[in-house]
Amino acid sequence: QQPVQSPQAVILREGEDAVINCSSSKALYSVHWYRQKHGEAPVFLMILLKGGEQKGHEKISASFNEKKQQSSLYLTASQLSYSGTYFCGTAKNTGNQFYFGTGTSLTVIP
Amino acid sequence: DAGITQSPRYKITETGRQVTLMCHQTWSHSYMFWYRQDLGHGLRLIYYSAAADITDKGEVPDGYVVSRSKTENFPLTLESATRSQTSVYFCASSVGQGRDSAEAFFGQGTRLTVV
Repeated sequence: QQPVQSPQAVILREGEDAVINCSSSKALYSVHWYRQKHGEAPVFLMILLKGGEQKGHEKISASFNEKKQQSSLYLTASQLSYSGTYFCGTAKNTGNQFYFGTGTSLTVIP
Repeated sequence: DAGITQSPRYKITETGRQVTLMCHQTWSHSYMFWYRQDLGHGLRLIYYSAAADITDKGEVPDGYVVSRSKTENFPLTLESATRSQTSVYFCASSVGQGRDSAEAFFGQGTRLTVV
């Protein structure tokens, strides 16, 4: 039930780009993305509700391919503040479960 | 204060003891969730609730019990704590799920250690 994320960890230099992928074996209705700083609770970034929809949040954007049950998070021109663990959260077409992915640790260094 | 709060923030208990983690939200969100976070496993769903008196199992429900007599409270009980239940527990709430999926708000977490 838990979606799988890749990569598990990534280290970037400031200004570099990164892509985080989220894949589910179940049909999805929506995908959420969250970021968690060390020792803190996850914080909502964005939600994607339609197949093929792409959304942006400053220099962070995401896409959702409903047919492939996959979503990708794009971080461009990364900043030190982007460091943290990123989780995708998935809601299925039926039922009320909300599952999170395995997480991707992202570290941005100067 | 408005929001979602968990208590206690830290708890150490002995194997075999019953422990209850509290979660309270002030938004009247219909949906509430309990997750455990362990290294390498991300956030795993333990139980969730779609409304007062409606609860259901998630991925890892064994050894846990929940109740939801009031919309704002969603306590999680470990009936007989085991060392494998040492973890950080997060409670979350949301105004909608499924086809009405909406942002989930998280409490600050409870770090539970079973010795």
